[in-house]
Amino acid sequence: QSVLTQPPSASVTPGQRVTISCSGSSSNIGSNTVNWYQQLPGTAPKLLIYSDDQWPSGVPDRFSGSKSGTSASLAISGLQSEDEADYYCASWDDSLSGYVFGTGTKVTVL
Amino acid sequence: QVQLQESGPGLVKPSETLSLTCTVSGGSVSYYYWSWIRQPPGKGLEWIGYVYYIGSTNYNPSLNSRVTISVDRSKNQFSLKLTSVTAADTAVYYCARTQREGYYSKYYMDVWGKGTTVTVSS
Repeated sequence: QSVLTQPPSASVTPGQRVTISCSGSSSNIGSNTVNWYQQLPGTAPKLLIYSDDQWPSGVPDRFSGSKSGTSASLAISGLQSEDEADYYCASWDDSLSGYVFGTGTKVTVL
Repeated sequence: QVQLQESGPGLVKPSETLSLTCTVSGGSVSYYYWSWIRQPPGKGLEWIGYVYYIGSTNYNPSLNSRVTISVDRSKNQFSLKLTSVTAADTAVYYCARTQREGYYSKYYMDVWGKGTTVTVSS
């Protein structure tokens, strides 16, 4: 059972904006940076946002990350059909002494 | 451009040892951390552990007693061994290059392999 909680799903129409939350605690999000991964159907995860709000090379700025206290969010603006995927937050947990992933959110483009 | 490729048996019998190798191409294993992550069918991601290029390791406490991750700089590879496997270890196994700064304030996987499916069954 993950210590980072995400909503299981989100459905959005093309062009709209969706925000995915990630709730943690003082031992993970409250102490360390948050990363977001995108997993397209049948493929490996891909780093989408690192260190709370940084973009890896090649990731469009339609994706943005933010953090406040023990929670983090991923926002996707101008949603496109190719954004339909599972999204995972992740952070190091000092209490568990390990890297923890969120429960994952499936984004569906209507 | 760094690429990672997992390899190893796709079928392992219960109670035996799962062994996988990740080959790094387009770059060196030196100066990086290297991780293993797995994903059971239809489920989320689970961090298994990492090895630093000099051989130091850190494992998921829930798997610690069964896991060994090692690195072979001469072959530009790193490996995973998981002992006493059960059906619960059936998953897609991914290897990934890992960036780390500070204690673990910044820690993330920036390059992933495509993954390899391992089924535990007799």
